[in-house]
Amino acid sequence: DIQMTQSPSSLSTSLGDRVTITCRASQGIRNDVAWYQQKPGKPPKRLIYAASNLQSGVPSRFSGSGSGTEFTLTISSLQPEDFATYYCLQHNLYPWTFGQGTKVELK
Amino acid sequence: QITLRESGPTLVKPTQTLTLTCTFSGFSLNTSPMGVAWIRQTPGKALEWLGLIYWEDDEGIRPYLQRRRTITKDISKNQVVLTVTNVDPADTGTYYCARTAHYLDSSGILDFWGQGTLVTVSS
Repeated sequence: DIQMTQSPSSLSTSLGDRVTITCRASQGIRNDVAWYQQKPGKPPKRLIYAASNLQSGVPSRFSGSGSGTEFTLTISSLQPEDFATYYCLQHNLYPWTFGQGTKVELK
Repeated sequence: QITLRESGPTLVKPTQTLTLTCTFSGFSLNTSPMGVAWIRQTPGKALEWLGLIYWEDDEGIRPYLQRRRTITKDISKNQVVLTVTNVDPADTGTYYCARTAHYLDSSGILDFWGQGTLVTVSS
């Protein structure tokens, strides 16, 4: 199985901060990565697909980059509604696998 | 408007069979390139992809090591069914179904999710 190593597992930040979350794949997966945001009691919501494409309706402060084995999700200026847990997903090979998650908390 | 909803038992005893149903609307599973996937989230919050079924499949794609699972579809009812046999407490978690459409640009990968259903495996 392809392992998606996500870091950090948690981070304490302030409003307006720039946040970067990384996922490293155990082998090359082209750009077959999506990013999700999850809030308590809710299903994951897709933010980014194909590594760098912004989902319709998602604010432009979210961006994704990367290809091959290293991928990043960036929030350019953290807003109150962005405090949540974020996950990456690889869909290059079965079984599809998720990163372990990054919880973004208020400092 | 695309919606999905999971339904099934909330409590199952070890060794029993768990059957969950995903009822969806807004798309058809007899049309290329549509599919429905199942994902489980454990109490520790990890997400695990369990498998999926595409419009062209008789049965869903199963992870190689998990032979206890099957995924089937009922086109006439717009439903996908996940069956897990011989459950144990490690199968406890929130089960989600999600649409996946196999577009070339990957824009349809797990794009719409149900609200999830919590299943506890306990005696």
